[in-house]
Amino acid sequence: KAGVTQTPRYLIKTRGQQVTLSCSPISGHRSVSWYQQTPGQGLQFLFEYFSETQRNKGNFPGRFSGRQFSNSRSEMNVSTLELGDSALYLCASSLQGSGTGELFFGEGSRLTVL
Amino acid sequence: QKEVEQNSGPLSVPEGAIASLNCTYSDRGSQSFFWYRQYSGKSPELIMFIYSNGDKEDGRFTAQLNKASQYVSLLIRDSQPSDSATYLCAYSGGVSSGSARQLTFGSGTQLTVLP
Repeated sequence: KAGVTQTPRYLIKTRGQQVTLSCSPISGHRSVSWYQQTPGQGLQFLFEYFSETQRNKGNFPGRFSGRQFSNSRSEMNVSTLELGDSALYLCASSLQGSGTGELFFGEGSRLTVL
Repeated sequence: QKEVEQNSGPLSVPEGAIASLNCTYSDRGSQSFFWYRQYSGKSPELIMFIYSNGDKEDGRFTAQLNKASQYVSLLIRDSQPSDSATYLCAYSGGVSSGSARQLTFGSGTQLTVLP
């Protein structure tokens, strides 16, 4: 069974640009959650999508957005990048939702903002 | 105050010893608790969950939960060098998390098992 796939794995952007990250969950999983991981803040919840609907959102500015497609694949977008957005962005899929705790994480997309 | 507090470590134990990892949380409404392990350069993976007060054992791992004290711990018996990783405590179902569906993580404790 294929795991969670995130693309791209690494990317470098400059301030002010925007970026789109992609996540393909485990087959059959309808929930996709996104987390930002930094050395100082740890894992911070961004948002969760379930069956194409955003059903929970963390405390991030509106520059962070996402969506989910009918095949459960999800994208997140960060506009007007800032230096502080440099982080590892992790996607996690779940069969019934992130609150059940059983999340399967992808390898992450490491974003560097210069 | 952070919602989930963990000693960042590093925590070092000799091979074969018991490693004790601790976590306190502030949200009294928290219902479910989880321990994730994250190897350096890798993504987190779930190793234990516990919902009820008391102990839960799974192989060399024991999770302990005390909701009155808002405390959850993970014991690793017969620690092996392969257990060296960062251990993340997480909870769901809290009031402050917004809904039962959000998983809130601590910053993690870095464990090193010395051969």
